[in-house]
Amino acid sequence: DTGVSQDPRHKITKRGQNVTFRCDPISEHNRLYWYRQTLGQGPEFLTYFQNEAQLEKSRLLSDRFSAERPKGSFSTLEIQRTEQGDSAMYLCASSTYRLPAQETQYFGPGTRLLVL
Amino acid sequence: AQSVTQLGSHVSVSEGALVLLRCNYSSSVPPYLFWYVQYPNQGLQLLLKYTTGATLVKGINGFEAEFKKSETSFHLTKPSAHMSDAAEYFCAVIKSITGGGNKLTFGTGTQLKVEL
Repeated sequence: DTGVSQDPRHKITKRGQNVTFRCDPISEHNRLYWYRQTLGQGPEFLTYFQNEAQLEKSRLLSDRFSAERPKGSFSTLEIQRTEQGDSAMYLCASSTYRLPAQETQYFGPGTRLLVL
Repeated sequence: AQSVTQLGSHVSVSEGALVLLRCNYSSSVPPYLFWYVQYPNQGLQLLLKYTTGATLVKGINGFEAEFKKSETSFHLTKPSAHMSDAAEYFCAVIKSITGGGNKLTFGTGTQLKVEL
């Protein structure tokens, strides 16, 4: 169990640029989540994958955001035409169990995005 | 809708003193509740969770929390604070979402400072 990894850990970009983040979940985990954490707030749910299928998206995920998990392993989160309001920590989590009582989501270290 | 409220965005204690971090939940059904800890520049780590059964839940690093339905609370405690406990703590509730996933809804967090 090497844990959830995310790359890059930090990203600084200019407004209007596109950015892509990668998440590698724990190898046997079929469930993958993305959350966003802004300064002074708790993480907020963005989207959920079961294997390669994206099954739930939050209203926070505007049209400029797209997430994929092409082979049911790693996932990418792309933000197009970044805005200063996109500055946040983007967290990935993975898990195996289905029932809420059983599920433990294991979080990666996050990618901190700063849009100038 | 299920939600959690954390009272006190900053808590400061002396090393060796009792730690008490407050969390109240709002739920129409019995909730499944979690406490996560986030150290600087790291992802979230699960401290403990309450699902069913015993209302006093023991977690890692000497932390425990008690589920009190009558008070709709799930406060986190530790008898004796250590410098290494300095971190941000998040209370969360989990809920099933479309597609069989489970979404965590977090409070706004409590920053714990431990002083000599």
